[in-house]
Amino acid sequence: DADVTQTPRNRITKTGKRIMLECSQTKGHDRMYWYRQDPGLGLRLIYYSFDVKDINKGEISDGYSVSRQAQAKFSLSLESAIPNQTALYFCATSDLLAGGYEQYFGPGTRLTVT
Amino acid sequence: GEDVEQSLFLSVREGDSSVINCTYTDSSSTYLYWYKQEPGAGLQLLTYIFSNMDMKQDQRLTVLLNKKDKHLSLRIADTQTGDSAIYFCAETITGGGNKLTFGTGTQLKVEL
Repeated sequence: DADVTQTPRNRITKTGKRIMLECSQTKGHDRMYWYRQDPGLGLRLIYYSFDVKDINKGEISDGYSVSRQAQAKFSLSLESAIPNQTALYFCATSDLLAGGYEQYFGPGTRLTVT
Repeated sequence: GEDVEQSLFLSVREGDSSVINCTYTDSSSTYLYWYKQEPGAGLQLLTYIFSNMDMKQDQRLTVLLNKKDKHLSLRIADTQTGDSAIYFCAETITGGGNKLTFGTGTQLKVEL
């Protein structure tokens, strides 16, 4: 079984709709991250969380919100989706105790906003 | 601010060496990384180098770091078709809380 899972894997939604992307991990890591990937722009950090009570904005947090419901779960919400939020979204985890050198990525959620 | 740049595409023949380059601007980088993304998948860490090192070798992979020029490269020896993927360099900086700043990614295409 995958250590970092994301649901849904693909989603098409309309402008103005609220949508939630979910991430779960079985690695026991304390740190979790949400990125979006756009062609030619690499990955950009949306939000990150160092533990359940610690949520931080990344470089492109406008239009997004997150919730860290438990150590293993970190969800990303688009309150009112717009077409330029069409992208591939990745969740990742890392382990402070292991030095945090490696981030482990989920398989991604492809979101299309029409 | 942090800025990490890569060329977008690289095409090589099977069996040749591939060299993927990356430049970064933040001199307080602590670790620099190479991640690989295969089609339809998330990113996987290939290798990383601490900023006080010049070189790291791991089987077919060689990482070179020129800290003066802020230039990082990944050399893949004997490139195979299974190496076709997008390669991202990334950095973490001192005091950055283990946040990664990614480059734009280089699409490597290996031709027969």
